[in-house]
Amino acid sequence: DIQMTQSPSTLSASVGDRVTITCRASQSISTWLAWYQQKPGAAPKLLIYQTSNLESGVPSRFSGSGSGTEFTLTISSLQPEDFATFYCQQYDNYPYTFGQGTKLEI
Amino acid sequence: EVQLVESGGDLVQPGGSLRLSCAASGFTFSMYSINWMRQAPGMRLEWIAYIGHTGETKYYADSVKGRFTISRDNAKNSLYLQMNSLRDEDTAVYYCAKDRGHCNGGNCYRYHDSWGQGTLVTVSS
Repeated sequence: DIQMTQSPSTLSASVGDRVTITCRASQSISTWLAWYQQKPGAAPKLLIYQTSNLESGVPSRFSGSGSGTEFTLTISSLQPEDFATFYCQQYDNYPYTFGQGTKLEI
Repeated sequence: EVQLVESGGDLVQPGGSLRLSCAASGFTFSMYSINWMRQAPGMRLEWIAYIGHTGETKYYADSVKGRFTISRDNAKNSLYLQMNSLRDEDTAVYYCAKDRGHCNGGNCYRYHDSWGQGTLVTVSS
């Protein structure tokens, strides 16, 4: 199975900050990576697919990059509604696997 | 608007069985593959089962293979998960999630663009 590792696990930031979350795969997944945002008690929400494609309706302050084994999610200017847990997921091979999550907190 | 609504979660004893359902609306259900995911308390998301749009192709995570069965009824716009021989470690919120993606030659790459709100399964004596 492909292991996905995110860093950091917790990130403290303020409104207006630029933040970056890193996701590493245990083997190359080309660009078959998605990012999801999850708020407490809610279902995950798709933010980005195929590494850098923004899902419809997702604000442009979110962006993704990378390829192979290293990927990043960047939020250019944090807004109050962005505080949540973010997960990366590889969909190169079954079983699809997720990172352990990055909790973004104030 | 795409809607996925899970139901059937409950408290069940170890070794017991449970059947989850996912009712879909707002899209042509029969054209899309669907998955079950789960999330144990405080843990990462886990993909556990996939079913193709016709129901012929199915994949399972090793953690549930041989115990869980995914199925669908396209006439009823519904997805199911039959869970047998339940264990304490199956305690989680279970989500159904619709696929989107594309196929290139023999390879298909699918991410999950819509999720239900989840249903809680608790396995405990």
